[in-house]
Amino acid sequence: EVQLVESGGGLVQPGGSLRLSCAGSGFTFSDRYMDWVRQAPGKGLEWVGRSRNKANGYATEYAASVKGRFIISRDDSKNSLYLQMNSLKTEDTAAYYCARGGIRPFPSYYFDYWGQGTLVAVSS
Amino acid sequence: DIQMTQSPSTLSASVGDRVTITCRASQSISSWLAWYQQKPREAPKLLIYKASSLESGVPSRFSGSGSATEFTLTISSLQPGDFATYYCQQYSYYPYTFGQGTKLEIK
Repeated sequence: EVQLVESGGGLVQPGGSLRLSCAGSGFTFSDRYMDWVRQAPGKGLEWVGRSRNKANGYATEYAASVKGRFIISRDDSKNSLYLQMNSLKTEDTAAYYCARGGIRPFPSYYFDYWGQGTLVAVSS
Repeated sequence: DIQMTQSPSTLSASVGDRVTITCRASQSISSWLAWYQQKPREAPKLLIYKASSLESGVPSRFSGSGSATEFTLTISSLQPGDFATYYCQQYSYYPYTFGQGTKLEIK
């Protein structure tokens, strides 16, 4: 059974940092592109960014709203995906989900499994 | 960025009704469109991918259609568990983008 479990959320002051983790199981983690998606309270879904797999150089993509502040990384030996969030703003307050993507650049792939999410609150 | 626009934003319907949600893309995304269902305090769940392919385990009352810029999600006969919020998402171009959501409410 595929499982994704996020952790690391919490309350942080504006300008602070936080690191989220996502542990995957039930599939070959190293084969997969992995993504972060967030959802502000009462709002819709916003894609945050992606880590490609080793075969594609672990290259990353980011939404403009987080580029330069957030860093996505992974440790395939631990079946884990990370989101380092720096210079946090109040508008980064959201539930953060990790989601499983495809295994190659083409054909394009959707998010077939999602974690349960971890809450990040940015407030003074 | 590609803008995804869903309509309606809210839909009131009854058990047994047939409902359709529309999603429009600001430019062609071929068939690289997914639909997700989200219930309160839960993660989104994949329903449809590549515009019309039903994800394994999803009831056949859910169907998707469309291509290029116009897409629809149809639920043929609403069941009590279908009252939720539905999102479309394009995965053709970065940044991936979602529609604003359609909340399906009980009439």
